[in-house]
Amino acid sequence: QVQLVQSGPELRKPGASVKISCTASGYTFSSQTINWMRRVPGQGLEWMGWINIHDAKATYAQGFTGRFVFSLDTSNNTTYLHITGLKADDSGVYYCARGLNPADLWGQGTLITVSS
Amino acid sequence: SYELSQPVSVSVALGETAKISCGGNRIGSKNVHWIQHKPGQAPVLVLYKDFNRPSGIPDRFSGSNSGNTAILTISRAQAGDEADYFCQVWDSSSYVVLGGGTKLTV
Repeated sequence: QVQLVQSGPELRKPGASVKISCTASGYTFSSQTINWMRRVPGQGLEWMGWINIHDAKATYAQGFTGRFVFSLDTSNNTTYLHITGLKADDSGVYYCARGLNPADLWGQGTLITVSS
Repeated sequence: SYELSQPVSVSVALGETAKISCGGNRIGSKNVHWIQHKPGQAPVLVLYKDFNRPSGIPDRFSGSNSGNTAILTISRAQAGDEADYFCQVWDSSSYVVLGGGTKLTV
């Protein structure tokens, strides 16, 4: 089955860090890039950037530089999103998605809650 | 940077036709994709490259793109079509660009 499966919900205190995963199956992992997107309650989808599966080069959207890092482990078809220095307004659901034009396959989302 | 504009909300009666617009400068020269997002679920691509439907998407979903406006049309609207809809394009300077989203109420 072609799918992206993400790791479970996370609860962190402000200032902490978190690393979530997105594991691909059912297709050739190296064939397409993986995007990360975020949806904050009451707001729209935000594109955070993408990681190139071939060379692990990451491109970050404006507003997602510095504290946000994409990485990957090709041995298990997994990409990661690492966020440091968490803030309350980082709370939301984070999605990985395959492809750029279009993003044609999405993970189920990972809820990150930042609260003291 | 390239920007897309969508109406915040659209309402449609059950069984009628809904049209959701996506405005952008010369958007007709770009490939427009439409994403459906229901609460608590993974987003789903419902149209790609203006009017193409991925496997499993009913033909009630159609699209057009010309000039400065792309339109997603949902015919014979059903209760299950209630969702937020986002248009998306690829721009060489801004990369992935998303519209602000439209809440469809049936």
